[in-house]
Amino acid sequence: DTGVSQDPRHKITKRGQNVTFRCDPISEHNRLYWYRQTLGQGPEFLTYFQNEAQLEKSRLLSDRFSAERPKGSFSTLEIQRTEQGDSAMYLCAGDRGRMNEQFFGPGTRLTVL
Amino acid sequence: GESVGLHLPTLSVQEGDNSIINCAYSNSASDYFIWYKQESGKGPQFIIDIRSNMDKRQGQRVTVLLNKTVKHLSLQIAATQPGDSAVYFCAETRGTALIFGKGTTLSVSS
Repeated sequence: DTGVSQDPRHKITKRGQNVTFRCDPISEHNRLYWYRQTLGQGPEFLTYFQNEAQLEKSRLLSDRFSAERPKGSFSTLEIQRTEQGDSAMYLCAGDRGRMNEQFFGPGTRLTVL
Repeated sequence: GESVGLHLPTLSVQEGDNSIINCAYSNSASDYFIWYKQESGKGPQFIIDIRSNMDKRQGQRVTVLLNKTVKHLSLQIAATQPGDSAVYFCAETRGTALIFGKGTTLSVSS
């Protein structure tokens, strides 16, 4: 157990609906990352935060995606107007400033019908 | 584009055998290379990392080898156990994120 938690663990939604996921890293994680993982593939970087500041966004993060980390602790990832192609595992990870020591949460598996 | 990839999608071994999982990378500028283990329904779990200025690092039952000449990374697991069955990913640090390869599924039979 890495101490990083994510909620919900599973989400099934209909196309066009909005969904929001939450990540709670451990308190020492000043950096927080979101990744997306599709079946059979490795995780792909979406965005990252240094404390509450969102410092980088991947080109994978379309304008339907928004992430926040308002107090520099937990983070939310919202997907608006979901599409079937959004079906994936959404992973959150945290570190204390050393990328080689990133620890992942269990992920939220999203299924868009 | 540049990516981190693995040579074989699957590897099957007998319990007690040694396992070797391979990875080829293309970006010479990465500072660290990391191996993760991912069990079904779980997030990736850190196994071991190696800094780019090293060529070998050992952990508990695991050894990572880095050959910068041919841009090759390997994970050796000694005395493989059924609990080692999982998907293994190599990853490299690049900029502000980890870049992952596609993964090798290790199956250990008793």
